[in-house]
Amino acid sequence: NAGVTQTPKFQVLKTGQSMTLQCAQDMNHEYMSWYRQDPGMGLRLIHYSVGAGITDQGEVPNGYNVSRSTTEDFPLRLLSAAPSQTSVYFCASSPGGLLYEQYFGPGTRLTVT
Amino acid sequence: GESVGLHLPTLSVQEGDNSIINCAYSNSASDYFIWYKQESGKGPQFIIDIRSNMDKRQGQRVTVLLNKTVKHLSLQIAATQPGDSAVYFCATGGGNKLTFGTGTQLKVEL
Repeated sequence: NAGVTQTPKFQVLKTGQSMTLQCAQDMNHEYMSWYRQDPGMGLRLIHYSVGAGITDQGEVPNGYNVSRSTTEDFPLRLLSAAPSQTSVYFCASSPGGLLYEQYFGPGTRLTVT
Repeated sequence: GESVGLHLPTLSVQEGDNSIINCAYSNSASDYFIWYKQESGKGPQFIIDIRSNMDKRQGQRVTVLLNKTVKHLSLQIAATQPGDSAVYFCATGGGNKLTFGTGTQLKVEL
């Protein structure tokens, strides 16, 4: 099993550009989530999904969209990138939900100039 | 608001010694607690978790202790190895919320 995969690993965007961060898992987990990790702060939940066709907002959802058309894939879209979105983004999946062991991807380091 | 804090930003230990990483939380309603390890440039990796109906849980070379009275959580690593060098952070949760701490950098000296 590849586990949780994320692409790209690094990305530089200009302010106002849009892009999609890809996330896929091959463990048949229903629960998937996106986090951002910033220096001096703990991981913060952006959006999550409890199954195909179901998504919900986390702690810091503004400026991001998600969709879940399949169990495997959970892309994160930045609609109009801002410097405040410079961060490391992690996708995770879990067999049991938020309050359960989560499997994290390797991360995408995004810089917005 | 809710907070989760680790006591030390950095902890240095000798190879072979035991390591203890501490975490304090503020929300007395928390009923789920988890520790992750994050190596440089990688995603967090699950170490061990514990629920509020327990005060101790052991895994392979790791033990988590939970003291709900003082809202304190600790991770003990036995016989610390160079491969244990990483950032360790705790998270506490309840209901539909999980709050992550900022992490302690564990450095293993040879």
